[in-house]
Amino acid sequence: GAGVSQSPSNKVTEKGKDVELRCDPISGHTALYWYRQSLGQGLEFLIYFQGNSAPDKSGLPSDRFSAERTGGSVSTLTIQRTQQEDSAVYLCASSLAGTTGYGYEQYFGPGTRLTVT
Amino acid sequence: AQSVAQPEDQVNVAEGNPLTVKCTYSVSGNPYLFWYVQYPNRGLQFLLKYITGDNLVKGSYGFEAEFNKSQTSFHLKKPSALVSDSALYFCALSRTGDYKLSFGAGTTVTVRA
Repeated sequence: GAGVSQSPSNKVTEKGKDVELRCDPISGHTALYWYRQSLGQGLEFLIYFQGNSAPDKSGLPSDRFSAERTGGSVSTLTIQRTQQEDSAVYLCASSLAGTTGYGYEQYFGPGTRLTVT
Repeated sequence: AQSVAQPEDQVNVAEGNPLTVKCTYSVSGNPYLFWYVQYPNRGLQFLLKYITGDNLVKGSYGFEAEFNKSQTSFHLKKPSALVSDSALYFCALSRTGDYKLSFGAGTTVTVRA
């Protein structure tokens, strides 16, 4: 079946511009996650969605970062007024998630490489 | 707080030899432990996980991992490495009440022919 897809695969933007990154999770996965991968910081959690709500936004680095999820499916991560330190690979993942269980494996998309010039 | 440590940045082995990638963790409560592999310019691929039960977990591509509670370790192993196993390996941790994963810094594995 289809895996997690992300678009665009690469994005180059000028400092100060806004960018939107898109994630299409695996069908039927109610949980969706955004992570950021950079050389200096490794893999960092950004935000977690259960359905359309985000019970854990603890990893968003500043108020320039926001995310939404609609229809329990597609998610968009928006970065406003981009800075050079935002340059990284942004990874989306999805998983099954139950109200009584944890430990479901997450399936990752190929990522969006963001370069802020 | 929870954390994952991968003490080796790089592991080099010859093809056909055993491969071990080390991981230790720190968490309050019961851990859920995962191994992922990342090939160049690709996302992370799930290899295996430990939730509960048998301490020896078998996963994809001939990999296995052993959960050791007393040593707080979850080392990844493969009895006979292949050149195609060369990649970046991440150990990850979550726990009851927390869906997100905390990752180690990663270990680059190089298998030489």
